[in-house]
Amino acid sequence: DTGVSQDPRHKITKRGQNVTFRCDPISEHNRLYWYRQTLGQGPEFLTYFQNEAQLEKSRLLSDRFSAERPKGSFSTLEIQRTEQGDSAMYLCASSLGNLGNEQFFGPGTRLTVL
Amino acid sequence: AQKITQTQPGMFVQEKEAVTLDCTYDTSDQSYGLFWYKQPSSGEMIFLIYQGSYDEQNATEGRYSLNFQKARKSANLVISASQLGDSAMYFCAMRGTGGFKTIFGAGTRLFVKA
Repeated sequence: DTGVSQDPRHKITKRGQNVTFRCDPISEHNRLYWYRQTLGQGPEFLTYFQNEAQLEKSRLLSDRFSAERPKGSFSTLEIQRTEQGDSAMYLCASSLGNLGNEQFFGPGTRLTVL
Repeated sequence: AQKITQTQPGMFVQEKEAVTLDCTYDTSDQSYGLFWYKQPSSGEMIFLIYQGSYDEQNATEGRYSLNFQKARKSANLVISASQLGDSAMYFCAMRGTGGFKTIFGAGTRLFVKA
């Protein structure tokens, strides 16, 4: 399978703990995106990488959130000191560089903060 | 600021009939792309169709077509010959000139009746 993969698929954690999610994009895609989706809503943009450079961060991404894409391949999203409001589906997507190229989404990581 | 509006929280359609899902958008960009994604209950986001702002013809992909009315800033999705497997959430999305930040609407849940 050469699609976008995410790990873990589900994460349950206690409030205050740190969590880290991984995304492996489609290998030839230079663009990688992170989104957050809460129940009944559309995905909300969190951040974007072109190769290893993080080019934009949403204001939704508080200082407890950090994302990296160290070698321009896989990416990690870390949430420190989790809060119950962080409970959501975290989606990763990748694409090629042109405006018209669709984003291919991974299956998501569902985070539940108790 | 960019915005996507989907005013239909839920829609019902009889199997084999056509259905139109509404989407209006707002942007100050001259060049932008409009996308539709399907999200079944399993959660994955599936790309359906793309329309570029400078495309003169409406996009079509199999049973999906996009009714693009630029002056009205609308990009409605038309699904012909609905099938039971079309029951899902449908999201309209827009990407601007920067080519990375994608804004999603709140979605429309489509129910196909046998």
